[in-house]
Amino acid sequence: EAGVAQSPRYKIIEKRQSVAFWCNPISGHATLYWYQQILGQGPKLLIQFQNNGVVDDSQLPKDRFSAERLKGVDSTLKIQPAKLEDSAVYLCASSPTNQPQHFGDGTRLSIL
Amino acid sequence: AQSVTQPDIHITVSEGASLELRCNYSYGATPYLFWYVQSPGQGLQLLLKYFSGDTLVQGIKGFEAEFKRSQSSFNLRKPSVHWSDAAEYFCAVGPSGGYQKVTFGTGTKLQVIP
Repeated sequence: EAGVAQSPRYKIIEKRQSVAFWCNPISGHATLYWYQQILGQGPKLLIQFQNNGVVDDSQLPKDRFSAERLKGVDSTLKIQPAKLEDSAVYLCASSPTNQPQHFGDGTRLSIL
Repeated sequence: AQSVTQPDIHITVSEGASLELRCNYSYGATPYLFWYVQSPGQGLQLLLKYFSGDTLVQGIKGFEAEFKRSQSSFNLRKPSVHWSDAAEYFCAVGPSGGYQKVTFGTGTKLQVIP
């Protein structure tokens, strides 16, 4: 089966610019997660979708971050405007409901 | 609040030697515990999990972990390390209910020398 696809793999932007990441989960997986992994830290959950509804976005900085999952399939995560501290790897994961997550390879974001 | 401590940031072992990675957790009730592995430039892969029952759990790639409630620990072990095991390992804890609201530790980077 095809894995979780993320794009782009790398992105470099200047602070105060905007950026968007895209995730295509494994077909049929109802649950989709976005994580932020800062260098030297473990992944931190930003948002969790169940189909196209938000289950948990308690750690999403909503003043600058937004995410959507249209039609319960693909998802995009946006940052606007970016800050230096947003430099991180953004991981997308998907799973069948309440099953182990399958992770994508992530998007590495560097803010100049 | 739940939390995970991985006291070793970096560990180096010789190929063929045994391995133990430490993990201590803080959680008020019976936790769900996980170990994940992350190779450079890749996402995380689940090695094993503990939900209940036998406190010694077997995972993929020859790894095992032991849940010790009295010590709030869930250490990962492997009897003989292979060069391909070089990666970063994350311990994680979550509330009963499966894979949601999981908190990850800061990771232990494993280097394997020939």
